[in-house]
Amino acid sequence: EAQVTQNPRYLITVTGKKLTVTCSQNMNHEYMSWYRQDPGLGLRQIYYSMNVEVTDKGDVPEGYKVSRKEKRNFPLILESPSPNQTSLYFCASSLKHGLNTEAFFGQGTRLTVV
Amino acid sequence: GENVEQHPSTLSVQEGDSAVIKCTYSDSASNYFPWYKQELGKRPQLIIDIRSNVGEKKDQRIAVTLNKTAKHFSLHITETQPEDSAVYFCAASLTGTASKLTFGTGTRLQVTL
Repeated sequence: EAQVTQNPRYLITVTGKKLTVTCSQNMNHEYMSWYRQDPGLGLRQIYYSMNVEVTDKGDVPEGYKVSRKEKRNFPLILESPSPNQTSLYFCASSLKHGLNTEAFFGQGTRLTVV
Repeated sequence: GENVEQHPSTLSVQEGDSAVIKCTYSDSASNYFPWYKQELGKRPQLIIDIRSNVGEKKDQRIAVTLNKTAKHFSLHITETQPEDSAVYFCAASLTGTASKLTFGTGTRLQVTL
């Protein structure tokens, strides 16, 4: 089954404790992105990657890191989480070429930083 | 960068009525405009999209219109059903792909019986 898988689904952590949210896709998509969703603000892009070892900042990159060492994986790293990073996070992947450039989203990770 | 505004933030319609959600974008170079539906507790899913070389696109009860001159696009849902109740997001892209989407703030649609 074609899918984007995020882990964990839920995470409660303390301020300053490094964490990683994993994202994996099995559709051989070139593009991958991370978004955060906050009430009243919609989805805002954190980082995106257009290929292996190619990443770029989105609209709200502060406090986050990413890496793209393999095509299928795109982990999101919070080196020192703060309460303002409490949010619902979505990973997405999409094709580079073709008529169907739909972004497929993972199931989401709800992060709470206390 | 691109900025997308979406209205209304909430919309309540009776079953069978039509619903219209409107978005405006700031960068005239944007060329790809998808719409996503997010049911409660679920992930966003694409329902329809349109590219800048097309003025209108329809898929059964859903249609999207694009006015490049005015820089706005709209989602039209006809004959609404209770299962249409969800949050709808518009988005715009400068790349023609879904690599870098700028989303609107969402519209919560409630279809009442």
